[in-house]
Amino acid sequence: AQKVTQAQTEISVVEKEDVTLDCVYETRDTTYYLFWYKQPPSGELVFLIRRNSFDEQNEISGRYSWNFQKSTSSFNFTITASQVVDSAVYFCALSVNYGGSQGNLIFGKGTKLSVKP
Amino acid sequence: GAGVSQSPRYKVAKRGQDVALRCDPISGHVSLFWYQQALGQGPEFLTYFQNEAQLDKSGLPSDRFFAERPEGSVSTLKIQRTQQEDSAVYLCASSSMGLYTGELFFGEGSRLTVL
Repeated sequence: AQKVTQAQTEISVVEKEDVTLDCVYETRDTTYYLFWYKQPPSGELVFLIRRNSFDEQNEISGRYSWNFQKSTSSFNFTITASQVVDSAVYFCALSVNYGGSQGNLIFGKGTKLSVKP
Repeated sequence: GAGVSQSPRYKVAKRGQDVALRCDPISGHVSLFWYQQALGQGPEFLTYFQNEAQLDKSGLPSDRFFAERPEGSVSTLKIQRTQQEDSAVYLCASSSMGLYTGELFFGEGSRLTVL
């Protein structure tokens, strides 16, 4: 079975602090994809990043960085120098290929990040 | 349109009523997905279309849920004889490529409240 666990339900930080959102996944498949999405109060999910299971290189995009470690089945997300606009619910998701057909995204329960001025 | 458009944004239904939720994907997007998001939870997959073909409906919770995309563009999610447990936000997403190579673009969702 596939599962995504985001143990942190809510995190509150003060602007300019760094914050890391944890994500642990479970799958027996060797080919899979991991995602992070941001859900602001307006409701639409915004794609942030996609990684495949064969690429463990960490990635940095501006103030965002991602740490993928297969050994611990984790795909953590760090925001450096957080800003009020980063306040949102962040979802980690897993996608697995079923026999060549399109799989679906399995989401964690999300982490609500509040950045205070 | 510029993004995925969903209507209505809010729907209140009495238990037992039928509802229809519409999704207008980004023009030219081949793939279309429906997800259900309960309060405080992550989205859960309902069904997937590639053009007009419904390739996966494994997430539909019961036979009261039905989705269609007859011309490969606009999609409708229909819920018959609504129950209180159907209360949730229904999210539609589209993609120009396969799920594994393209990002999903989500709409703002349709919030359904069943009284």
